[in-house]
Amino acid sequence: QQQVRQSPQSLTVWEGETAILNCSYEDSTFNYFPWYQQFPGEGPALLISIRSVSDKKEDGRFTIFFNKREKKLSLHITDSQPGDSATYFCAARDTNTGKLTFGDGTVLTVKP
Amino acid sequence: NSKVIQTPRYLVKGQGQKAKMRCIPEKGHPVVFWYQQNKNNEFKFLINFQNQEVLQQIDMTEKRFSAECPSNSPCSLEIQSSEAGDSALYLCASSLNWGGQNTLYFGAGTRLSVL
Repeated sequence: QQQVRQSPQSLTVWEGETAILNCSYEDSTFNYFPWYQQFPGEGPALLISIRSVSDKKEDGRFTIFFNKREKKLSLHITDSQPGDSATYFCAARDTNTGKLTFGDGTVLTVKP
Repeated sequence: NSKVIQTPRYLVKGQGQKAKMRCIPEKGHPVVFWYQQNKNNEFKFLINFQNQEVLQQIDMTEKRFSAECPSNSPCSLEIQSSEAGDSALYLCASSLNWGGQNTLYFGAGTRLSVL
């Protein structure tokens, strides 16, 4: 069964620190990995994504590190801000079906 | 920012009632997905379309759920006879292509409460 796992379930950091959110997957047919940010009462918004041919993707304060051999990836949020407090979902898209499989999310709290 | 429009934002129904929600995908996106997100933040794929054609759907969708994406009209998802367990956030997403490396853009969702 296709699965995407995230850890930790919740994470609290201080403003200015780096938050590291982890994700792992099982199925080799996954080849595209978007991270979504979701605030309460809203739909998930695409934050940053990476294709399986890359090992790193950077966009401002957000960086994805991808290890294809170990089927692991992580999202690093540098200089965390209170406005970054949200739930972050790692997702994996199946190259054959196009369907996204989501992890269970990491709730990030950034304290001022 | 996503331009997927979902209506209504909130929907309250009694058990056994029909519940219908709509989605206007991002302009130029022929692929539409519906997902259900429960209170535990778990996402469940329901159905997807390319233009007006159903590509994939789960068994649950086949039995009590119906969905369509007519040309020149909003897509819709309808629950024929709502159950308490259907209470969730229903998310519509659109994509340029059904293929693996195209991004899904989500709407804000319709939050269904079945009393």
